[in-house]
Amino acid sequence: GQQVMQIPQYQHVQEGEDFTTYCNSSTTLSNIQWYKQRPGGHPVFLIQLVKSGEVKKQKRLTFQFGEAKKNSSLHITATQTTDVGTYFCAGGGYSTLTFGKGTMLLVSP
Amino acid sequence: DSGVTQTPKHLITATGQRVTLRCSPRSGDLSVYWYQQSLDQGLQFLIQYYNGEERAKGNILERFSAQQFPDLHSELNLSSLELGDSALYFCASSATGGAFYEQYFGPGTRLTVT
Repeated sequence: GQQVMQIPQYQHVQEGEDFTTYCNSSTTLSNIQWYKQRPGGHPVFLIQLVKSGEVKKQKRLTFQFGEAKKNSSLHITATQTTDVGTYFCAGGGYSTLTFGKGTMLLVSP
Repeated sequence: DSGVTQTPKHLITATGQRVTLRCSPRSGDLSVYWYQQSLDQGLQFLIQYYNGEERAKGNILERFSAQQFPDLHSELNLSSLELGDSALYFCASSATGGAFYEQYFGPGTRLTVT
């Protein structure tokens, strides 16, 4: 079945440093969604990418969908302590989403 | 607040027991998903229902079952519980059952099996 891999599993940065998490699928995706889960919270939808090569920005967050629609990335510029949490990508297949295991981001002030 | 409610918030039970987790989707959402989240396994998809019918199955054990009722709320039944079933169980809902619709997650039920 479809597999979605995320790297790194964990990253610890100093506030102000940049952060990137990568998502790779074993199959071509119809779409990709990104979610954020704060410590002790539940996953919350951030954004969806649908088109090949698509790039979307939300303030300091930049999301990219690969040309082959098999990979995606989330880049955070100048991290803040409020960025702490686990970031999940979810790849769209035939009818459902497959979630990656997530990248846990820790930001030290 | 996502609009998805889950009860109970916490559940502590013994091995071999059976429990039922309940989920009410966002108003108007027809699809319900169940996920299991443990520290080393990330977010594991268990099962999806759409308008009362089972739509997709993930890594759901035979000891687990679920259903969606006519009022669209859903229940996840876990039986013959084992220590390894201790986890956070999330319910999510979406407008329809397709992959293009964002999922709204409930606050989760933390299950502890002792």
